[in-house]
Amino acid sequence: AQKVTQAQTEISVVEKEDVTLDCVYETRDTTYYLFWYKQPPSGELVFLIRRNSFDEQNEISGRYSWNFQKSTSSFNFTITASQVVDSAVYFCALSTDQAGTALIFGKGTTLSVSS
Amino acid sequence: ETGVTQTPRHLVMGMTNKKSLKCEQHLGHNAMYWYKQSAKKPLELMFVYSLEERVENNSVPSRFSPECPNSSHLFLHLHTLQPEDSALYLCASSQDSGGQGRYGYTFGSGTRLTVV
Repeated sequence: AQKVTQAQTEISVVEKEDVTLDCVYETRDTTYYLFWYKQPPSGELVFLIRRNSFDEQNEISGRYSWNFQKSTSSFNFTITASQVVDSAVYFCALSTDQAGTALIFGKGTTLSVSS
Repeated sequence: ETGVTQTPRHLVMGMTNKKSLKCEQHLGHNAMYWYKQSAKKPLELMFVYSLEERVENNSVPSRFSPECPNSSHLFLHLHTLQPEDSALYLCASSQDSGGQGRYGYTFGSGTRLTVV
């Protein structure tokens, strides 16, 4: 069975602090794909990153970075020098090659950044 | 227009009304989805359509009725809803014809539904 766990329900930080959002996944498939989405108050889920199971390189995009570790089944997301505009709900998600199985989302982490 | 467009953005309806939510994708994707997001609850998958055929229905009450007339359009017909059906309804699309989302989903902005 596939599962995504985001243990942190809510996180509050002050601007310029670094913050890490945790994501732990479960799957028996050897080929799978991991994602992070951002949901601002407007409601739309915005794609942030996609990673396949064969690419364990960490990625950095501006203030955002992602740490993929197959050994611990984790795909954590770090925001460096957080800003108020980073306030949103962040979802981690998992998909596989199995047809008929939709993208599986974690329950989301609500990040609040205050000035 | 580009991406996934949902209309209306906001809807208030009585429990005896019938209304429809519309979703349109301009991405040439093969699969479309309806999700429900209630306050402080995770995303709940409602329906999956792949190549215009329903491939998954997560035990959704019959008062929700989906329709996919072609690969670009998806509707959610609503009738005799309950107040607990008030939520954000999100539409998404993906490239995968099997609906699995290997390339991720593209989401619309959602319809915020209030049932009174």
